[in-house]
Amino acid sequence: DAMVIQNPRYQVTQFGKPVTLSCSQTLNHNVMYWYQQKSSQAPKLLFHYYDKDFNNEADTPDNFQSRRPNTSFCFLDIRSPGLGDAAMYLCATSRDGQSTDTQYFGPGTRLTVL
Amino acid sequence: QKEVEQNSGPLSVPEGAIASLNCTYSDRVSQSFFWYRQYSGKSPELIMSIYSNGDKEDGRFTAQLNKASQYVSLLIRDSQPSDSATYLCAVNGGYQKVTFGTGTKLQVIP
Repeated sequence: DAMVIQNPRYQVTQFGKPVTLSCSQTLNHNVMYWYQQKSSQAPKLLFHYYDKDFNNEADTPDNFQSRRPNTSFCFLDIRSPGLGDAAMYLCATSRDGQSTDTQYFGPGTRLTVL
Repeated sequence: QKEVEQNSGPLSVPEGAIASLNCTYSDRVSQSFFWYRQYSGKSPELIMSIYSNGDKEDGRFTAQLNKASQYVSLLIRDSQPSDSATYLCAVNGGYQKVTFGTGTKLQVIP
């Protein structure tokens, strides 16, 4: 089945220790998104790729970086995690990013910062 | 700032009743509207999408859109305990971006 996969599902890191979260998709979608979701809050878009074109949200901290080496994979790097970065990180894809496109979400990675 | 607003709830309904979830949005040029269901600790799952004014039905779910009032709703008929979750309203205003509301928590009481 075509799907969006995130690894790991749970990640524990120490304050200031870099961490990388992974997302892969078998849908062959052009657009990949990274969201941060904290408890009882809306998913917050961090950035997205349209193919290789990177689009950063204005309020995304510099501590968050992303890479998309090919169509299938996208990575979220947190260079120096702080306690406030503990959250669920959601990867999503859409076919072309058109207004009628549906976003399909992966299962998420729950990040804990100690 | 583009906003999507939802009542956070919880909205409690008895099993078998109709649950009505509401959402308003601020960006008049928004074109597409989505309802996602999110169970605790899980990722959002698409329930319905709607693009035109009026009603769209899919099984027990009906989405309603009124662009003039900037209002979108989701009705769940014959609510089941398994429908207990947070329902996120999402609005696509174009440019590959979707804005989510904070969600309404629904509790279906057996």
